This record gives sequence, C-alpha cells and structure tokens, in this order.
Amino acid sequence: GENVEQHPSTLSVQEGDSAVIKCTYSDSASNYFPWYKQELGKRPQLIIDIRSNVGEKKDQRIAVTLNKTAKHFSLHITETQPEDSAVYFCAARLGISSGSARQLTFGSGTQLTVLP
Amino acid sequence: GAVVSQHPSRVICKSGTSVKIECRSLDFQATTMFWYRQFPKKSLMLMATSNEGSKATYEQGVEKDKFLINHASLTLSTLTVTSAHPEDSSFYICSARDFSGAAMNTEAFFGQGTRLTVV
Repeated sequence: GENVEQHPSTLSVQEGDSAVIKCTYSDSASNYFPWYKQELGKRPQLIIDIRSNVGEKKDQRIAVTLNKTAKHFSLHITETQPEDSAVYFCAARLGISSGSARQLTFGSGTQLTVLP
Repeated sequence: GAVVSQHPSRVICKSGTSVKIECRSLDFQATTMFWYRQFPKKSLMLMATSNEGSKATYEQGVEKDKFLINHASLTLSTLTVTSAHPEDSSFYICSARDFSGAAMNTEAFFGQGTRLTVV
C-alpha cells in the first residue's frame, strides 16, 4: 500500500516568514495530493490540493509543488500569520486504475507555530 | 463544498458499554465513507472503508467485531464501538467524497469528529 512520510514534525516561524513542509510518497500510482489544516479538536480542512498532471499550484499565500519523478510534494506558506498556526497533514491517494476504494493515506502531520 | 455531519461530537461512556457514532452526507450521496481514528498529536489512521449495501473493509489490525460499521443508505454510515474500554478512547472521524461531478478525483470532506472517552 501507499506510505506517506512528512517532515518536519514541528515547525516554528516568525510572523511574516515562509514555512515549508515536505512529504514523500511511495506508490507511483498515486495521483492526488491534498493538504489539510487541522486545528485542535476540529475536523481537517482542505487548504489546497494538486493532481499528478500539474507540477505547481498556488492559491494566494499557499502553494504546493509536486515532483513525480522523486515522488515528493511540498506545501509553501508565505507571509505567515498567527492564525496559520495549526497541524498540517499531507495525503496521497491512488489513481482510479488501482481498483481500490482509493482512500487517503496521511502523513504524520506538522505542528506549525507562527510566532507574533 | 459538500457537508459531512458527524454525531455526537463528544461522548463519555462507561467501560463495557457500546457507543454508536453517525456520519451523514447532507447534500450528496456517498457510496463510500471512511472511518479514521486519531490519537492526540498523531495522524489520522484509516480504520475501515464503509460501503453502502455491503460489508465494510477493515484495515489490518482493526477488529471488525469490536468496531461495527453499517452503511445502510447512501447518506448514512454508523460506527459502533462495542464493549468499549479505556484504550478505545480516541478521536474518531469520518470522511466521504462526492462522486456526482464529472471529475473522478474529488476532495474528501470530513465530519466534525467524535471525541470518545471511556471511563
């Protein structure tokens, strides 16, 4: 099955600085890579996603890059703000040809703290 | 976006009792729903895949007789923790995807989660 590794586990940045979180995946058949933000005790919220036919996607201060050859993808948050503080999870999902229900496999999470 | 509603959000039960958690897709039909368990400061671990009208598919190491899943309709899946023990205390969360659109790869929407405490 798919295995997703995420680094770092914790990340502290000063307000206004950028934050980068990296993930690697093991199964080359994965073709969908979402990023979720989870605040304490709440449900994960999708913040951005990327499909395997795209190398980069940007939405305001958030961007995701994907390197299919190396099987890694990264989340970039620029101009960080205190409200960006949360746990961020990357995930990967196999493509339709895999024949499975195609559940998400999550990374271990990154606790991001933005210091004012 | 699509809405997934999960209830209850918090439950405290006595050891040995059973607890039922509901997961509903409010504005779309979900033939497949997923149940996750999340320990404090840990990632979401898939427990089982719930399939409407058929048996759930459990992940390795998950006891199907302890975590009963029923997906009787296209909008409702339930997870029953039977004979709960303190070690079952955790955050349980469901998710579903809306396959009605043209794109096959759609985002997963999560329920609010259920904080289960077994005393």
